[in-house]
Amino acid sequence: ETVLTQSPGTLSVSPGERATLSCRASQYVSNNFAWYQQKPGQAPRLVIYAASTRAAGVPARFSGSGSGTEFTLTISSLQSEDSAVYYCQQYNNWPFNFGGGTKVEIK
Amino acid sequence: QLRLHESGSGLVKPSETLSLTCAVSGASLTSNDYHWAWIRQSPVRGLEWVASISYNGGSSYNPSLKSRVSISLDTSESQLSLTSVTAADTAIYYCARGRRYYDWLHQPHYYFDSWGQGTLVTVSS
Repeated sequence: ETVLTQSPGTLSVSPGERATLSCRASQYVSNNFAWYQQKPGQAPRLVIYAASTRAAGVPARFSGSGSGTEFTLTISSLQSEDSAVYYCQQYNNWPFNFGGGTKVEIK
Repeated sequence: QLRLHESGSGLVKPSETLSLTCAVSGASLTSNDYHWAWIRQSPVRGLEWVASISYNGGSSYNPSLKSRVSISLDTSESQLSLTSVTAADTAIYYCARGRRYYDWLHQPHYYFDSWGQGTLVTVSS
């Protein structure tokens, strides 16, 4: 099965600064890859799919890049409401797997 | 507007069967643009895809659970059944919609574009 490794585990960023999150897949997943945002007490919310396509209603400060085995989620100018845990997920290979998450904190 | 609502047994005894229902409104379960999935989350195992089912009843299961899990689809509901539960099955269970798109090879893939609020299932005697 495809294992997803996210880094860093926790990211502390000042408001207005850039946040860069990484995810590495143990096998090739093409661009069949998504990012989700989860806030405390809530279900995950789709942020990016197809590696680089923003989901409906997601602000333009969120962008995704990568293909194959290396992926990045960038928040260009961090806002307070972006504080959350972010998960990556591949849907190229069965079983679909999620990464362990990166917690983004506001410094 | 799509709404997914999970319900079912919140407390299950070890070795018994967990049964959950996802009520879907605002979308057709018979559309081939979607499949319907269950995903669970626990502090130990993180987010774990459990099973998916398509409009025509075709299903896929996580191999780690395959011998114990069953998913089905009704007119407006998705059902999940997990047998012989242990404490390791304690988790928040989410239902989610998988939305189809075609990659550059024209192969279909599904990403989870909508999630229910989740329901906590505790396995304990």
